[in-house]
Amino acid sequence: EPEVTQTPSHQVTQMGQEVILRCVPISNHLYFYWYRQILGQKVEFLVSFYNNEISEKSEIFDDQFSVERPDGSNFTLKIRSTKLEDSAMYFCASSIQSYEQYFGPGTRLTVT
Amino acid sequence: KNEVEQSPQNLTAQEGEFITINCSYSVGISALHWLQQHPGGGIVSLFMLSSGKKKHGRLIATINIQEKHSSLHITASHPRDSAVYICAVINFGNEKLTFGTGTRLTIIP
Repeated sequence: EPEVTQTPSHQVTQMGQEVILRCVPISNHLYFYWYRQILGQKVEFLVSFYNNEISEKSEIFDDQFSVERPDGSNFTLKIRSTKLEDSAMYFCASSIQSYEQYFGPGTRLTVT
Repeated sequence: KNEVEQSPQNLTAQEGEFITINCSYSVGISALHWLQQHPGGGIVSLFMLSSGKKKHGRLIATINIQEKHSSLHITASHPRDSAVYICAVINFGNEKLTFGTGTRLTIIP
């Protein structure tokens, strides 16, 4: 069964460093998403991506964040200068329009 | 903005019991997801529904669009059902999910 994959599973970085979280969505899906979950809190929407551009973003998704689909298979989330409060679990998801979203296993980001 | 509320927040039950988890939302939606999150953190989609009822194995999900309410039922609960169950909705006009806070379910053998 096709699945969404994410790498790395755990990333530790120092405050101020850039990180790139990687996702490989399901191959025939057209919509891609990033969500995050701070420990003990609910999952929050960050950004959606369709047709090689951002279709919607939340207030959380400020200039420190960017997304890219560089090669038609990977979907990346970049945080330019990490802060302590960026520590969270980051989930990638993909879907065919109006269909069920499939989630990756998540990347746990720890900023020290 | 859609407010998604789940109840109960925590539920402990004996193996074999019938489980009900509730979700209500404040604004009309195009669809609702029930998701399962295990202790390791990964999220698995259980159901997506926009009307009526769906069944998969021991899991049943229902939605009442008029009352803005959905329920997830687990029949013959088992310790492996222990997880956090999350309701998430899709508003009309966009694709993003708005999540509830989750219900932590613990099934005791």
